[in-house]
Amino acid sequence: GDSVTQMEGPVTLSEEAFLTINCTYTATGYPSLFWYVQYPGEGLQLLLKATKADDKGSNKGFEATYRKETTSFHLEKGSVQVSDSAVYFCALSADTGANSKLTFGKGITLSVRP
Amino acid sequence: EPEVTQTPSHQVTQMGQEVILRCVPISNHLYFYWYRQILGQKVEFLVSFYNNEISEKSEIFDDQFSVERPDGSNFTLKIRSTKLEDSAMYFCASQDRGNEQFFGPGTRLTVL
Repeated sequence: GDSVTQMEGPVTLSEEAFLTINCTYTATGYPSLFWYVQYPGEGLQLLLKATKADDKGSNKGFEATYRKETTSFHLEKGSVQVSDSAVYFCALSADTGANSKLTFGKGITLSVRP
Repeated sequence: EPEVTQTPSHQVTQMGQEVILRCVPISNHLYFYWYRQILGQKVEFLVSFYNNEISEKSEIFDDQFSVERPDGSNFTLKIRSTKLEDSAMYFCASQDRGNEQFFGPGTRLTVL
């Protein structure tokens, strides 16, 4: 079945450091890929997405590129802020339309120090 | 901005008791989901719901679980006889015709 693997955490960085969070996936067909973020006390929020190979999703300075050849969707940010401290989840959906479940990775906690 | 809400935020129950977790999805959304996350593990899909019936369910969603949308606004998950291993964070999500699912803040269920 479909699966998502994220690098082990937690991750602690200093403000303005470069961030990479690795995510790889296994799926049949052509899944859509997502990064969700969960801030303390809140629900999961969509951070960015990509629906086909070589697409780059971006939002709030974060980027991730859908790499079919390496089945990866790594999340990057050039300069993290304290406000980026949260839990980050990589996920896939087998279909591009609605009514399609998400398959999540384990999530990784990012802490950014001032 | 519209949001998904869930109540209660934390539910503590005794093993064997029934619990009902409640969710209020975003009002014009059509597709509804429940997920759960056992501490330290992945967020797992439980069930999806559309047009007043279950669209898909995982193998976790056995006969002890049921979902309902009784009044057009609430979306509930019932666990008939809770087990210790049901202790988890339960997330509700709703979706319109696009492919973004909007999540609630979760209900932490503790079974003693």
